[in-house]
Amino acid sequence: TQLLEQSPQFLSIQEGENLTVYCNSSSVFSSLQWYRQEPGEGPVLLVTVVTGGEVKKLKRLTFQFGDARKDSSLHITAAQPGDTGLYLCAGPYAGNNRKLIWGLGTSLAVNP
Amino acid sequence: ETGVTQTPRHLVMGMTNKKSLKCEQHLGHNAMYWYKQSAKKPLELMFVYNFKEQTENNSVPSRFSPECPNSSHLFLHLHTLQPEDSALYLCASRGERGTDTQYFGPGTRLTVL
Repeated sequence: TQLLEQSPQFLSIQEGENLTVYCNSSSVFSSLQWYRQEPGEGPVLLVTVVTGGEVKKLKRLTFQFGDARKDSSLHITAAQPGDTGLYLCAGPYAGNNRKLIWGLGTSLAVNP
Repeated sequence: ETGVTQTPRHLVMGMTNKKSLKCEQHLGHNAMYWYKQSAKKPLELMFVYNFKEQTENNSVPSRFSPECPNSSHLFLHLHTLQPEDSALYLCASRGERGTDTQYFGPGTRLTVL
């Protein structure tokens, strides 16, 4: 069974701090996606990582896909209150890329 | 209007009521999804439609009845719900090409009394 485990589940930090959140699995994924969901809204795609070892940057956000394509991390530099939200990772089911497996998410609060 | 829209944004209903949730996508996609999001649980896939045909039903109770009249519209008809059905119901769409990206609407916050 493919599962995605995210850690930590909750994170509360001060503005300006750095943080890393993780998405781990024992299964290999062809790709992994990171979404951010703000209160009262649906998830919005931030990035898709496809190649093992790949690093993608989106302003202050750095995403990495593990070499074995079983895990991914999201690092935020100098966090801002606007980064507050639920960060979800998702990956396609093996053999059915129309369905995604979702992690439970990391709920991030950045305090001014 | 662009993206994926959902109405209503909030809904409170009694267990004997019948209501419907509506989703509309303006992205030209052919696949549409209903998800349930509850606290402390990952997103739960409920139904998938591809080119108006239902391709996935994840053992959803019959009190939830989906309808997809065309590739742009998706409904979720609700009847005789239980309090544990209270959740955020999200609609998403996906194109046929490219990555597995799903585009979500803002959701309907449902409370069953």
